[in-house]
Amino acid sequence: GDSVTQMEGPVTLSEEAFLTINCTYTATGYPSLFWYVQYPGEGLQLLLKATKADDKGSNKGFEATYRKETTSFHLEKGSVQVSDSAVYFCAGGGGNKLTFGTGTQLKVEL
Amino acid sequence: GAVVSQHPSRVICKSGTSVKIECRSLDFQATTMFWYRQFPKQSLMLMATSNEGSKATYEQGVEKDKFLINHASLTLSTLTVTSAHPEDSSFYICSARHGRASTDTQYFGPGTRLTVL
Repeated sequence: GDSVTQMEGPVTLSEEAFLTINCTYTATGYPSLFWYVQYPGEGLQLLLKATKADDKGSNKGFEATYRKETTSFHLEKGSVQVSDSAVYFCAGGGGNKLTFGTGTQLKVEL
Repeated sequence: GAVVSQHPSRVICKSGTSVKIECRSLDFQATTMFWYRQFPKQSLMLMATSNEGSKATYEQGVEKDKFLINHASLTLSTLTVTSAHPEDSSFYICSARHGRASTDTQYFGPGTRLTVL
């Protein structure tokens, strides 16, 4: 079946540091790929998505590119802020459901 | 746009009672709604998928008689945890999707924290 693997956290960065959270997927065919963010005590919010190979999703300074050759969808941000502290989930959509990674906790410190 | 609400946000109940959680799409019609369960510091596990007007499709290992799902309209789905036990304590999250295609984005509710005493 489909699976999504993302790097384990927690990841602790200083404000303005560069962020990369790795995500790779295995699926039958080419699913849509998503990054969701979850702030403490809240549900998931869609951060960005890409529906086909070479698509780049971007939002709020975050971006991720759908790489078919490496089956990856790594999340990047050039300069993180304290307000970016949250749990980030990579997900792939195939068939009628989303398959989620285990989540990566990001903590940004001053 | 694309706001999904859940009610209640937190509920505490006694063992053996039933609890109903509502999921509403506030500004769009949700052909399909999903119910997930999230354990502490873990990912979301899909419990079931419901299409408006039809029976829910449950994932393997999820008891359909224990977790009753009703998707009576295009804006409302309910999850009822029947005869709740402490092991049912969890964070339940719903999501809603405009269409039936897997490429359509799922929009998530804020979640419901269930604690069974």
